[in-house]
Amino acid sequence: NAGVTQTPKFQVLKTGQSMTLQCAQDMNHEYMSWYRQDPGMGLRLIHYSVGAGITDQGEVPNGYNVSRSTTEDFPLRLLSAAPSQTSVYFCASSYSDRGPMNTEAFFGQGTRLTVV
Amino acid sequence: KNQVEQSPQSLIILEGKNCTLQCNYTVSPFSNLRWYKQDTGRGPVSLTIMTFSENTKSNGRYTATLDADTKQSSLHITASQLSDSASYICVVSAKNSGYALNFGKGTSLLVTP
Repeated sequence: NAGVTQTPKFQVLKTGQSMTLQCAQDMNHEYMSWYRQDPGMGLRLIHYSVGAGITDQGEVPNGYNVSRSTTEDFPLRLLSAAPSQTSVYFCASSYSDRGPMNTEAFFGQGTRLTVV
Repeated sequence: KNQVEQSPQSLIILEGKNCTLQCNYTVSPFSNLRWYKQDTGRGPVSLTIMTFSENTKSNGRYTATLDADTKQSSLHITASQLSDSASYICVVSAKNSGYALNFGKGTSLLVTP
């Protein structure tokens, strides 16, 4: 199993450009999520999905779109990049966080995005 | 507001020494608490997960404790190694909050020879 795979690892965008960060998992996990990590701050939830066809907003969703057409893939789209979106983005997946299972979340390697 | 506070912010120790990292939280109602290790330039990797009924859990040289009454957790690292140099993140989730995880800012640990 590859786990959670994110692409690209690094990206530089100009202000106003759009792009898609890719995330794929091969563990058949129901739950997938996107976080951003900024210096001096904890990871913050952008969007999440509890299964194919179902997505919802997290703490900082503005400027980002997501979709979940398959269980495996959960891409994050930046509609019109802004310097404030310069950050490290992490995708995570888990089997379930509900009930007694409390399974762990697996994180991708991250995408370091710079918007100039 | 659900919050997770970690201390110290950073720590430097000599190889072979022990250390303890702290986590205080106000997340309610409590579901579980996790400790993650994040190496520079990598994603977080889970060390332990504890639910309300668990007050200690070990993973090799890492031992996490949980006091749900005082809402405190600690991560104890025994006989530190250079490879333990990383950021250690405390994460708490609440019941009935969907799938939201509340992340601390992390403790940056440097182990020196």
